[in-house]
Amino acid sequence: AQSVTQLGSHVSVSEGALVLLRCNYSSSVPPYLFWYVQYPNQGLQLLLKYTSAATLVKGINGFEAEFKKSETSFHLTKPSAHMSDAAEYFCAVSGDDYKLSFGAGTTVTVRA
Amino acid sequence: DTAVSQTPKYLVTQMGNDKSIKCEQNLGHDTMYWYKQDSKKFLKIMFSYNNKELIINETVPNRFSPKSPDKAHLNLHINSLELGDSAVYFCASSQVLRAGTGELFFGEGSRLTVL
Repeated sequence: AQSVTQLGSHVSVSEGALVLLRCNYSSSVPPYLFWYVQYPNQGLQLLLKYTSAATLVKGINGFEAEFKKSETSFHLTKPSAHMSDAAEYFCAVSGDDYKLSFGAGTTVTVRA
Repeated sequence: DTAVSQTPKYLVTQMGNDKSIKCEQNLGHDTMYWYKQDSKKFLKIMFSYNNKELIINETVPNRFSPKSPDKAHLNLHINSLELGDSAVYFCASSQVLRAGTGELFFGEGSRLTVL
């Protein structure tokens, strides 16, 4: 079975500052890893995904994530936060099966 | 033109009632899902269907019954509603069966409140 743990349920950053959201995974097989974003009162949408190609994955809206097998991590970063980045962010993992398992989510607030 | 649409968006009902949530996707995907998001925003998969065939049936009370009349529709019927059923229910679809190899497209959610 696969699972993810998101460290920090809430992150507050200043506009223009670095955004860093942490995700660690557990998987008995090579994992597929994802970051999804949920804006208020909306469904989730894909930010980026890792599928065993490049370990540094670039996504939409200036986000990127790095897969580190030795640390079982898939942290999400954005160099400069924008007010529009305020949302809920979910890390997710899937193995060689039909399920996508989500972490508990991290709420990002951006201070002006 | 909404890719994954759910109705109703809001549902307020009394304990013991029966209610349904409908989902339709116009993406031509073969796989559809129901997820439950609780008050702490934790997302848990409930069911998935692939071309009308049940693939995932998590540990969900049998008061919850999914129905897929065709591959573009996946409805969720809930009998004898309980307070703990209050949540946001998300429908999603994917082009592929194995979740890891594709992207899930989510609807906007149906917020169910049981009084």
